[in-house]
Amino acid sequence: NAGVTQTPKFQVLKTGQSMTLQCAQDMNHEYMSWYRQDPGMGLRLIHYSVGAGITDQGEVPNGYNVSRSTTEDFPLRLLSAAPSQTSVYFCASSYSKGYGYTFGSGTRLTVV
Amino acid sequence: AQSVAQPEDQVNVAEGNPLTVKCTYSVSGNPYLFWYVQYPNRGLQFLLKYITGDNLVKGSYGFEAEFNKSQTSFHLKKPSALVSDSALYFCAVRDHMNYGGSQGNLIFGKGTKLSVKP
Repeated sequence: NAGVTQTPKFQVLKTGQSMTLQCAQDMNHEYMSWYRQDPGMGLRLIHYSVGAGITDQGEVPNGYNVSRSTTEDFPLRLLSAAPSQTSVYFCASSYSKGYGYTFGSGTRLTVV
Repeated sequence: AQSVAQPEDQVNVAEGNPLTVKCTYSVSGNPYLFWYVQYPNRGLQFLLKYITGDNLVKGSYGFEAEFNKSQTSFHLKKPSALVSDSALYFCAVRDHMNYGGSQGNLIFGKGTKLSVKP
């Protein structure tokens, strides 16, 4: 009963470094998404996937890449970290449209 | 364009008093509406949803929400607030009529901080 697991929980990066935020779900959900949460801005969609091998951009995709090789995993890659990417990142999954998302506990990323 | 608005950044309520957290939406077609709660340093937790049927929806922890189509609103309510209800609340909408375009993603409001004082 793990639900949605995100790793790491905290990360500090230097400007220009790259890294991958991991997200895994064990509920056999087709939909998976990445959001970032910034104060006063709510949650903004970065990328999403409607199934293995299918991904698409959300509202704020620049600087991020995703892939979905399996139903379970949906990693988010930061190509060259910038201070503007300092945020809390949430992964979410859903069984299908019409159902609410299950969220992971988040990754707090600081880029210095 | 689809959007969700939470007009209040913060709502302050005394413990035991009723609370309301406001949400209005703008979508094409019939909306699927959700409320989530976020406690400090935690992920979002699902509270309740409206898809169809009765306009008054009951959810977790004694919360309920009223769907009003004419006013395009989905306000969150609780008859008697608890200090432990203090958290950040998010309203979200999913336009199921626009499946091909939006792919069923959730659009979130900016959140309302609820503070319940003893």
